[in-house]
Amino acid sequence: DVKVTQSSRYLVKRTGEKVFLECVQDMDHENMFWYRQDPGLGLRLIYFSYDVKMKEKGDIPEGYSVSREKKERFSLILESASTNQTSMYLCASSLAGALQETQYFGPGTRLLVL
Amino acid sequence: DAKTTQPPSMDCAEGRAANLPCNHSTISGNEYVYWYRQIHSQGPQYIIHGLKNNETNEMASLIITEDRKSSTLILPHATLRDTAVYYCIVLNQGGKLIFGQGTELSVKP
Repeated sequence: DVKVTQSSRYLVKRTGEKVFLECVQDMDHENMFWYRQDPGLGLRLIYFSYDVKMKEKGDIPEGYSVSREKKERFSLILESASTNQTSMYLCASSLAGALQETQYFGPGTRLLVL
Repeated sequence: DAKTTQPPSMDCAEGRAANLPCNHSTISGNEYVYWYRQIHSQGPQYIIHGLKNNETNEMASLIITEDRKSSTLILPHATLRDTAVYYCIVLNQGGKLIFGQGTELSVKP
């Protein structure tokens, strides 16, 4: 079974702090994704990556950056956390190639920025 | 991008079939219909997908109308653990899953 793990289930940070959210998948998937989920807004794509060192902006990249130095690991970085970045963050991975591949999600990280 | 329309909520009795509808009238010929669900406080979980034909797996069945403008996800014998938000998604050319509001299914004893 595909396993996608995220470094923390719950995280509390202060405004202005630099925050790292890590995601690791164990199925050699080429594609990795970061979403945030907020009540009433559904899931929104922040960034995705089709390969090591490649990144593409999603629908709401402002205030975020990403890093993909290894195939299995995709990091989301909040350079200077703000209260409006309080959210549930979800990582996902999928195989490369066909656009209609199934995405496998991690358990999520609930981030609270005070 | 093809948009989907789902009822915001549905109830189902435990042990009965849950039929979750989805409208996607602007779907294009090469777009698939995907269904995911999200149990409270967990990440989304893939259920099933299809293009034109009906599909069945160990979790559910997917019925797609001949004109492909709508589909129905069927959970044949719903259990309490099937209580979740169910998302019907049509994949666009960019390959990005776009999650809407989904249908909140409550399975009741």
